Amino acid sequence: KAGVTQTPRYLIKTRGQQVTLSCSPISGHRSVSWYQQTPGQGLQFLFEYFSETQRNKGNFPGRFSGRQFSNSRSEMNVSTLELGDSALYLCASSLSQVNTEAFFGQGTRLTVV
Amino acid sequence: AQSVTQPDIHITVSEGASLELRCNYSYGATPYLFWYVQSPGQGLQLLLKYFSGDTLVQGIKGFEAEFKRSQSSFNLRKPSVHWSDAAEYFCAVGPITGNQFYFGTGTSLTVIP
Repeated sequence: KAGVTQTPRYLIKTRGQQVTLSCSPISGHRSVSWYQQTPGQGLQFLFEYFSETQRNKGNFPGRFSGRQFSNSRSEMNVSTLELGDSALYLCASSLSQVNTEAFFGQGTRLTVV
Repeated sequence: AQSVTQPDIHITVSEGASLELRCNYSYGATPYLFWYVQSPGQGLQLLLKYFSGDTLVQGIKGFEAEFKRSQSSFNLRKPSVHWSDAAEYFCAVGPITGNQFYFGTGTSLTVIP
């Protein structure tokens, strides 16, 4: 079956703009988590959605937001982009809230100029 | 607080040599432990996981890891490294809350012929 799909794969945005990234989880998976990966900070948890509800949120400013749709697809939005938001954004899907295996997408590489 | 430490930022080994990547964790309860691999520009692929039971777990691509509770370690090993194993390796503990995982900062593996 298809894996986790993230679109777009690459994005270049200007400071101050906003951006929306999309993640389609594995069919049947209801949990979607987002991570930011940077060379200096490694992988940092942004938030998790399960059945359209945000269950958990990491330590990121309010400029970072997300949502999940009824088909489990998720989007994350970053408003008022800063240079430091340049990163690889990874989405992970899990079957349920008790399943402990996460499957990752290939990520969206965001560059802010 | 939960944390994962990978003390080796970068390791270089010769093809055919054995490999051990170190991982230490800090977690208040019995942890679920994972090793992921990331090739350049790609997402994370699960190599193996430990939930409970036998402390020596086998994974894909010939990798294995041993959970040692007394040392709070979960080191990854491979008896004979192949050039295609060159990648970034991440140790993770979780899920902590919901499906949130904590990742180490990664170990970059270079394989020389």
